[in-house]
Amino acid sequence: DAGVIQSPRHEVTEMGQEVTLRCKPISGHDYLFWYRQTMMRGLELLIYFNNNVPIDDSGMPEDRFSAKMPNASFSTLKIQPSEPRDSAVYFCASSPYLSYEQYFGPGTRLTVT
Amino acid sequence: SQQGEEDPQALSIQEGENATMNCSYKTSINNLQWYRQNSGRGLVHLILIRSNEREKHSGRLRVTLDTSKKSSSLLITASRAADTASYFCATDARDDKIIFGKGTRLHILP
Repeated sequence: DAGVIQSPRHEVTEMGQEVTLRCKPISGHDYLFWYRQTMMRGLELLIYFNNNVPIDDSGMPEDRFSAKMPNASFSTLKIQPSEPRDSAVYFCASSPYLSYEQYFGPGTRLTVT
Repeated sequence: SQQGEEDPQALSIQEGENATMNCSYKTSINNLQWYRQNSGRGLVHLILIRSNEREKHSGRLRVTLDTSKKSSSLLITASRAADTASYFCATDARDDKIIFGKGTRLHILP
């Protein structure tokens, strides 16, 4: 398996633009997680899915953020409109179980100017 | 929220020395995990220790867990330049979600 795949690896956009981050989890993993990492706040869980269903989105900062998982092999995290404070590295991770080892993707470094 | 806190925040040691990092958490757990993150990369799972285990080994890694003190330690023996990374502990909360600490930055000096 190629591991968790994320795209793009880097994204630079202007404030107010829509940003879509993509993730392909490891096949057979029932759980998918979206994290945001910054120096100030560390690694924050934004949302996680179980069998394509969003279970806990309490970490999503505000309504500008939305996430979908239309099928077992694809998920998106969308920010609309983007703001400079959204600049961070966004990670997707997958796992066969909830409190088990998580497999992280390489991350998307987002810069909003 | 239940979150592991690593100590120290940063650590620099000479190559070949042992590195020890600690993690403290607040409430009871089912398991505790350690992850490594190299600069610019995603986190990589190192080891998982269950609440009924006291010590676990994996290669040059040794993890201990003291549930009475709500703490864990990660020991890396005979450190190498490639061990330079950030190390995170992760604990499962009451709802089984994993919460990550802010990490220890380890720098191995040549």
